[in-house]
Amino acid sequence: GAGVSQSPSNKVTEKGKDVELRCDPISGHTALYWYRQRLGQGLEFLIYFQGNSAPDKSGLPSDRFSAERTGESVSTLTIQRTQQEDSAVYLCASSSPPGQGIYNEQFFGPGTRLTVL
Amino acid sequence: GNSVTQMEGPVTLSEEAFLTINCTYTATGYPSLFWYVQYPGEGLQLLLKATKADDKGSNKGFEATYRKETTSFHLEKGSVQVSDSAVYFCALRQGAQKLVFGQGTRLTINP
Repeated sequence: GAGVSQSPSNKVTEKGKDVELRCDPISGHTALYWYRQRLGQGLEFLIYFQGNSAPDKSGLPSDRFSAERTGESVSTLTIQRTQQEDSAVYLCASSSPPGQGIYNEQFFGPGTRLTVL
Repeated sequence: GNSVTQMEGPVTLSEEAFLTINCTYTATGYPSLFWYVQYPGEGLQLLLKATKADDKGSNKGFEATYRKETTSFHLEKGSVQVSDSAVYFCALRQGAQKLVFGQGTRLTINP
């Protein structure tokens, strides 16, 4: 009965290195979202997965960002050649299939705080 | 594109004061509207929602009414408590897809 989990909770890396962030959605949730929250700002949408459909990648800020999802389970967000402006909290959310659940509410994980030195 | 504009913070009030946090939106069609709250040290959680015009969402003493004519969804509470101190985000969603968030408003309630 766990909620959305994310790992690591904190990540410090050096500029130019690659990082991988992991998200475990709530079991049975077919939709999975990644958002980014920069310091003092609102959340920015990055990417959306829904079942076996092609993901909506419209929010990815550059080709250094990519994400994968295996079936309806774990997702990994990868940032290549990290830059200082990538420093942010990366949030993952999941929701039940369209038409099911209460208003398809998105349940958020605790986030991964990424610091690029 | 869709966007959400929130009242800038930070907002500091005394306990039992009346709270309003303004939120206006720009969207095509009829989005669903949400208020999310992020308490210190905790994850983002849904506070209340409204899915059509004139709907009123309410939870924990907070209310917000979906006003299509003014494209607004202002958050209100009649008497705030210290435990309401948090960051509040207004958001919209069209269909089952991504949420579009405002920049957030940090609220501090002093005893």
